[in-house]
Amino acid sequence: DTGVSQNPRHKITKRGQNVTFRCDPISEHNRLYWYRQTLGQGPEFLTYFQNEAQLEKSRLLSDRFSAERPKGSFSTLEIQRTEQGDSAMYLCASSLVGSGRHEQYFGPGTRLTVT
Amino acid sequence: AQTVTQSQPEMSVQEAETVTLSCTYDTSESDYYLFWYKQPPSRQMILVIRQEAYKQQNATENRFSVNFQKAAKSFSLKISDSQLGDAAMYFCASTQTGANNLFFGTGTRLTVIP
Repeated sequence: DTGVSQNPRHKITKRGQNVTFRCDPISEHNRLYWYRQTLGQGPEFLTYFQNEAQLEKSRLLSDRFSAERPKGSFSTLEIQRTEQGDSAMYLCASSLVGSGRHEQYFGPGTRLTVT
Repeated sequence: AQTVTQSQPEMSVQEAETVTLSCTYDTSESDYYLFWYKQPPSRQMILVIRQEAYKQQNATENRFSVNFQKAAKSFSLKISDSQLGDAAMYFCASTQTGANNLFFGTGTRLTVIP
């Protein structure tokens, strides 16, 4: 069983450009989460999906951010018109609801640098 | 909302010795879960140990154990027989039953001295 994977691992973009990240969760997991982690901080919740439905979005998720999870499998996170403040590590995690364990498994992250 | 506080930005331990990392949290819920995650440099976050709030017994996983003090809202991690591979950022996190996200502390950077 492979873990959570994320692509790309690193992305450098110029301010104003759009970027898209992909996350592939653990195959049997029905929940998928996106977090953002800035230097020296713990991860902060952005949004989560249960199957294909996006059920919660954090206030951190501005209108320039959009996430999808078509068919309840992989997910994409798009940032439009990137700003320097978007520079961060974007982490994806997945979990299995109903297991009673409430633990999330994280991917390696995508490090975004906006110049 | 929940808050998680890690008051030790950095800690160090001699190889083979024991170290304790501190974490306090604040929640109004009675049913919640607590976790310690490890994030090695440039590597992904790994779950170290979990604790259900309704369980009085402290969780243990090999060399890792917790001291869960529910009344004090304290959840410390003890690493015994420290190894070089234990060097990492350690994050304490909490979630409520039925909630959908983890709340993380700011982390403690652990250095293991050979």
